[in-house]
Amino acid sequence: KAGVTQTPRYLIKTRGQQVTLSCSPISGHRSVSWYQQTPGQGLQFLFEYFSETQRNKGNFPGRFSGRQFSNSRSEMNVSTLELGDSALYLCASSPGDAGNTIYFGEGSWLTVV
Amino acid sequence: AQSVTQLGSHVSVSEGALVLLRCNYSSSVPPYLFWYVQYPNQGLQLLLKYTTGATLVKGINGFEAEFKKSETSFHLTKPSAHMSDAAEYFCAVSVKSGGYNKLIFGAGTRLAVHP
Repeated sequence: KAGVTQTPRYLIKTRGQQVTLSCSPISGHRSVSWYQQTPGQGLQFLFEYFSETQRNKGNFPGRFSGRQFSNSRSEMNVSTLELGDSALYLCASSPGDAGNTIYFGEGSWLTVV
Repeated sequence: AQSVTQLGSHVSVSEGALVLLRCNYSSSVPPYLFWYVQYPNQGLQLLLKYTTGATLVKGINGFEAEFKKSETSFHLTKPSAHMSDAAEYFCAVSVKSGGYNKLIFGAGTRLAVHP
């Protein structure tokens, strides 16, 4: 079974630009969640989508948004990039019930300059 | 509200020595508990998880953890460290109620293994 696939793996953007990151979950998984990892703040939950609906949201500004498609693939978008958005963005998938194992992708490294 | 505290941001052990990484959680409802490992420039890999049942949970690579409700702890152990165990380890809690999937992570513990 293929794992969680994230693209792109590495990208560099300029302040003020926007970025879209993509995630393909494990086949059959309906829940996709996103996390931001930085040295200062650690791993923080951004949001979770289940069957194309946002089911849970972390404490991030509205510049961070996401969506999920009918095939469970997900994208997250960050608009008006700030230097502090530089981070590893991790996508995770699971069947969707509490307690299910959550599987992570390799992440997308975003650098904002 | 749920939270996770990992005691010790850095732990150093000799190869062959016992590995003990500490995790305490706070949860108003019975928790699901997880340990993940992260190698440099990689994502998170599940080591083991506790949901219900047996409180001693065995995971991959020889790791195990024991859920102690009275101590609100879920410490990770491995009897004999290997050089390849050097990585960052994260303890996480997920709440049972509501059916949604959200992990709350501890700050992580970086494990160094020296010869």
